[in-house]
Amino acid sequence: EPEVTQTPSHQVTQMGQEVILRCVPISNHLYFYWYRQILGQKVEFLVSFYNNEISEKSEIFDDQFSVERPDGSNFTLKIRSTKLEDSAMYFCASEASGVLGATDTQYFGPGTRLTVL
Amino acid sequence: QKEVEQNSGPLSVPEGAIASLNCTYSDRVSQSFFWYRQYSGKSPELIMSIYSNGDKEDGRFTAQLNKASQYVSLLIRDSQPSDSATYLCAVPSNSGYALNFGKGTSLLVTP
Repeated sequence: EPEVTQTPSHQVTQMGQEVILRCVPISNHLYFYWYRQILGQKVEFLVSFYNNEISEKSEIFDDQFSVERPDGSNFTLKIRSTKLEDSAMYFCASEASGVLGATDTQYFGPGTRLTVL
Repeated sequence: QKEVEQNSGPLSVPEGAIASLNCTYSDRVSQSFFWYRQYSGKSPELIMSIYSNGDKEDGRFTAQLNKASQYVSLLIRDSQPSDSATYLCAVPSNSGYALNFGKGTSLLVTP
């Protein structure tokens, strides 16, 4: 069964450093998402991406964040200057059509645990 | 942003019992609703989606939607210890792209 994959599974970085989290969405999916989950808190939407551009972003997704689809398979989230409060689990998700309904859904990858020291 | 409210629990039920998980949402125009299961340290996994009023059954799981009262519930019949997890209710954003999640209800099924 196709699945979303993410690398690395765990990333440790120093405050102020740049990190890039990588995702390979399901191959025939067109819509891609990043979510994060701070330990003990709810899953929060960061950004959605379609046709090589951002379709929606939350207030969390400020100028320190960027997303890119550098080739036909990878989808990346870059955090330019990490802060302590960026420590969280980051989930990538993909969806076939982008219209959330009973016939479509977002499939989540296993996540990258980011620890900022 | 649409608010999605869930009782955080933990909800404890004995093995074989029915677990009932509830979710309320703030936006009357929401059309589709999703239940995800999340094991500790893992990613959300879709259990069911529902968009019509009434019940939708899939194996041991039944989702119930009442748009007039703005709540959606998930029933788990014949609960198993492996069902112990956090159950997340999610509603699409106004644009339809993002999912707004509740904080989740922790379920513990005791042998």
